[in-house]
Amino acid sequence: DAKTTQPNSMESNEEEPVHLPCNHSTISGTDYIHWYRQLPSQGPEYVIHGLTSNVNNRMASLAIAEDRKSSTLILHRATLRDAAVYYCILRDSAFGNQFYFGTGTSLTVIP
Amino acid sequence: NAGVMQNPRHLVRRRGQEARLRCSPVKGHSHVYWYRQLPEEGLKFMVYLQKENIIDESGMPKERFSAEFPKEGPSILRIQQVVRGDSAAYFCASSPQGDYGYTFGSGTRLTVV
Repeated sequence: DAKTTQPNSMESNEEEPVHLPCNHSTISGTDYIHWYRQLPSQGPEYVIHGLTSNVNNRMASLAIAEDRKSSTLILHRATLRDAAVYYCILRDSAFGNQFYFGTGTSLTVIP
Repeated sequence: NAGVMQNPRHLVRRRGQEARLRCSPVKGHSHVYWYRQLPEEGLKFMVYLQKENIIDESGMPKERFSAEFPKEGPSILRIQQVVRGDSAAYFCASSPQGDYGYTFGSGTRLTVV
């Protein structure tokens, strides 16, 4: 699986937007970009995924660069419950369904 | 997380004992995955199973660890002769067929004393 690079940690003020970056310069044409998050003492939780076009759901938005070498997860209004480790993962389903997690970005939300 | 049930939530074993971790996937999901998370580390893939078949066990330690997903009943991750280094959180996830995301369970926290 292609490698992703994320900042180790980020901070955000409560009720402000958060942009979590992810670089994936070696992404292949069939790699989907997935985001999961893990709250303290819990299992990871699906956030969003996309291939080429920007995606929106009730939790977040995913902005994908035109060359697909980077993407940004956008939380529109951070709440204290959004404090978690966010993982950006590439997966090519043609080679199996496994996800390989990196170290992710630890998001701190400041009240 | 709703849907994937893991038990027990916490498990304490003495060195040399066996640990059995159970995972009931979301109803209708036929794919199960096990991950291990050591303290202060990320999740490491261990094994991917479909009903009665091991699809990929490339992340499983070569000895003492085994996994199954029988036709009936939960998936079981079994660790024989546990050692202190096995202390970790073990997460199970399930997915339906095809390119879908996972639903994770809340994990089993194994402590070896």
